[in-house]
Amino acid sequence: QKEVEQNSGPLSVPEGAIASLNCTYSDRGSQSFFWYRQYSGKSPELIMSIYSNGDKEDGRFTAQLNKASQYVSLLIRDSQPSDSATYLCAVWNFGNEKLTFGTGTRLTIIP
Amino acid sequence: GAVVSQHPSRVICKSGTSVKIECRSLDFQATTMFWYRQFPKKSLMLMATSNEGSKATYEQGVEKDKFLINHASLTLSTLTVTSAHPEDSSFYICSASSTATGNTIYFGEGSWLTVV
Repeated sequence: QKEVEQNSGPLSVPEGAIASLNCTYSDRGSQSFFWYRQYSGKSPELIMSIYSNGDKEDGRFTAQLNKASQYVSLLIRDSQPSDSATYLCAVWNFGNEKLTFGTGTRLTIIP
Repeated sequence: GAVVSQHPSRVICKSGTSVKIECRSLDFQATTMFWYRQFPKKSLMLMATSNEGSKATYEQGVEKDKFLINHASLTLSTLTVTSAHPEDSSFYICSASSTATGNTIYFGEGSWLTVV
């Protein structure tokens, strides 16, 4: 089992709709969770970080964390074409002090 | 967010030569820097973790003698690809963190290496 799993997609969402990205992780001891956005040929850009169970909202983005289910998600409301990118879920392990990435979900917003 | 800068953004080198990539934290002191490699349409793969003033910790399968990492100061880490071969062509990305960033990891812009 991979440490951090994401649906590779591609995920296509109409402009203005809600895009939902999911991620599961295997290490129950993980404490910090991050969503990065990566445009083709560019470096990852931090979008959200979440540390506690529940929802965290920042503008059009909402991160959701459920530690019991080892599940973290990202919702993008009012999707825009500029949101088209690969979204990487990352989990920080305090034990080995590493940030482990999922393989990423490619999101395409259809105008 | 915090700023991490990489240089060069693109480099082409001949097979058998060495190339150095620099990673700088511009507005904070990075106690830890990470080096990743990413092949096209693949995820980021951690190569090594470096703490200022100590030797880098390499991931399994990464040749430490080929990928030399130096973290001489709290704002600078370098990755030197020695005796480069075409299969080393990849996107190399550094990242940095510290307690000043709440241990959040910020990425540099990445460096495209092409070995011909």
